[in-house]
Amino acid sequence: GAVVSQHPSWVICKSGTSVKIECRSLDFQATTMFWYRQFPKQSLMLMATSNEGSKATYEQGVEKDKFLINHASLTLSTLTVTSAHPEDSSFYICSATSNNATNEKLFFGSGTQLSVL
Amino acid sequence: GQNIDQPTEMTATEGAIVQINCTYQTSGFNGLFWYQQHAGEAPTFLSYNVLDGLEEKGRFSSFLSRSKGYSYLLLKELQMKDSASYLCAVRDQWGAAGNKLTFGGGTRVLVKP
Repeated sequence: GAVVSQHPSWVICKSGTSVKIECRSLDFQATTMFWYRQFPKQSLMLMATSNEGSKATYEQGVEKDKFLINHASLTLSTLTVTSAHPEDSSFYICSATSNNATNEKLFFGSGTQLSVL
Repeated sequence: GQNIDQPTEMTATEGAIVQINCTYQTSGFNGLFWYQQHAGEAPTFLSYNVLDGLEEKGRFSSFLSRSKGYSYLLLKELQMKDSASYLCAVRDQWGAAGNKLTFGGGTRVLVKP
């Protein structure tokens, strides 16, 4: 089945630094990728929709200048948390789909646990 | 807006059956998904319903009533490893962009010996 790889699995950083998270589709071309955030004991909240070759679409309340998304190729999208602060500590998960997706599944990456000190 | 409700927590005994209900109110409907998520891990796909009725996959079954905006996930012959969060999610559009899912708050299921 389709595989989505997310890296790194966990990262600890100092407040004020930037962190980049990568999401790769390994065996299919992902025209669209989605970035979710999940706080402890809460569900997944969609942050943005990333489309290859165009600007990302952000959900209401998500700062686009803080959470930079780049989807330069059909197999890679990156999320950069700029000037991270402790409140940005969360579990970030990407998911990917293709234009030809006829199956019902959305393929998720393994997630990135971000801890900002 | 989108509204998806499911109970916060449920407790059941090993070998028993548990039913997790999900009600939704969304602007459109193009399928309802159930995912299982263990702490610190990504969600894993369990089931998908787009038409009314029951879908059965081994110990897990999922039911959908579109007219009622209602679904349930049925877990049979519970095992200790089934202790996890179960997420109900709705897709409200067609096409690749429609694979954006809106998730409910998740139901934490605790299976006791």
